[in-house]
This record gives sequence, C-alpha cells and structure tokens, in this order.
Amino acid sequence: GIQVEQSPPDLILQEGANSTLRCNFSDSVNNLQWFHQNPWGQLINLFYIPSGTKQNGRLSATTVATERYSLLYISSSQTTDSGVYFCAATNQAGTALIFGKGTTLSVSS
Amino acid sequence: ETGVTQTPRHLVMGMTNKKSLKCEQHLGHNAMYWYKQSAKKPLELMFVYNFKEQTENNSVPSRFSPECPNSSHLFLHLHTLQPEDSALYLCASSQETGYWGAFFGQGTRLTVV
Repeated sequence: GIQVEQSPPDLILQEGANSTLRCNFSDSVNNLQWFHQNPWGQLINLFYIPSGTKQNGRLSATTVATERYSLLYISSSQTTDSGVYFCAATNQAGTALIFGKGTTLSVSS
Repeated sequence: ETGVTQTPRHLVMGMTNKKSLKCEQHLGHNAMYWYKQSAKKPLELMFVYNFKEQTENNSVPSRFSPECPNSSHLFLHLHTLQPEDSALYLCASSQETGYWGAFFGQGTRLTVV
C-alpha cells in the first residue's frame, strides 16, 4: 500500500526564517495535499497539489510526481505558523486518504 | 472556520458510558469521514460515508458505531470504550470520496477514564 513519509519530524525556527518540509510517497498517488494542524487541533487544507507548483502568500508547494516527493516551503515564518504540517495522499482507488506522521514546527519570536 | 462543525469539543466518559459525537457540514459535500488521531501516530481513517452510505470501515471495533442520517450530518456512537480509545476524533467532508479539497472539523478531544 501507499506509504507517506515526512521529514524532518520536528523543526524549530526563529521568526523570519525560511524552511522546507519534505514528503516522500511510496507509490503512485492521487490528490497529494498539505494540511496544517494548529495547536487547537484544527486541520486546515493548505494545498491540493498532485503535481507542479502552487503558491499562497508565504507558503508554496511543489510536487514532482515522477520522483515521488513533494515539498512545502514556508518563507519569513511567523509564530502563527507553529503547529503540525501533514502531507496526505489518496490511494489509486480513491478510497483512503493516507497521512504522514507530520512535521511539528515551532516558531519563536 | 472550515464549515465542518463538531460537538462536543471535549468529552470525558467512563468505560461503561454511552455517548455520541456529532459532525455537521453545510458545504454541500457528499462524502463524510471519521478519523482518529492518537498521540505520536498518523491520523487513522475509521469510516467513510458517501451519499449517506457507508463505503469504508477500516477494521474499527464495534464499540464505535457510525450513523449518517443525511449528507450533512454524521454521528459516532460510543459505548464501553477503553482508555486506549482516548484520542482526538476528527470529522471531515469532501465533495466526493476522492478527498479533493477535504475540510476537517476542529475535532472532539475524548478521554476515557
């Protein structure tokens, strides 16, 4: 089955720093997505990015499907960026959304 | 605010209690899901409903019983739970079961004592 692996597991940044989070997936996937879970548990869908590059403000994401990885870039990080970032993808049947274990980001001022 | 509302936000229950979690969405989505998030583990899919019909039961113990009376509401009925069932239970919805653009609720933090 599909495996989704994220790195690094933890990341500590000073406010204003840039960071790159990585997601590797083991097999052909559909619907590669990035989510942010804030400290209160709310999961927010950041990007739906099966391939290519998208940008939304200080965040951008790139998926290279042929090489089975996706990257999430956070520029000029802010304390509100803290939380857990999850990468998730569906199996080819589209019946399950498989999550990675997440990257826990802590941004301090 | 994602458009998916879960109640209650926090729940403490004894192992002999019966309780229900509620999820509501008015996004016009046809698919709804229950996920379990335990400490130090990836989110685990529990149930999938598409057009009110259960299409996926991911080997969940029978002490968890889902109910989907219509496309906007999803319940998770709990009875005789174990302490290891303590977790954050998340509800999500999407237009179809392809999960594209899935929206999650804020979750119910469940503690079983």
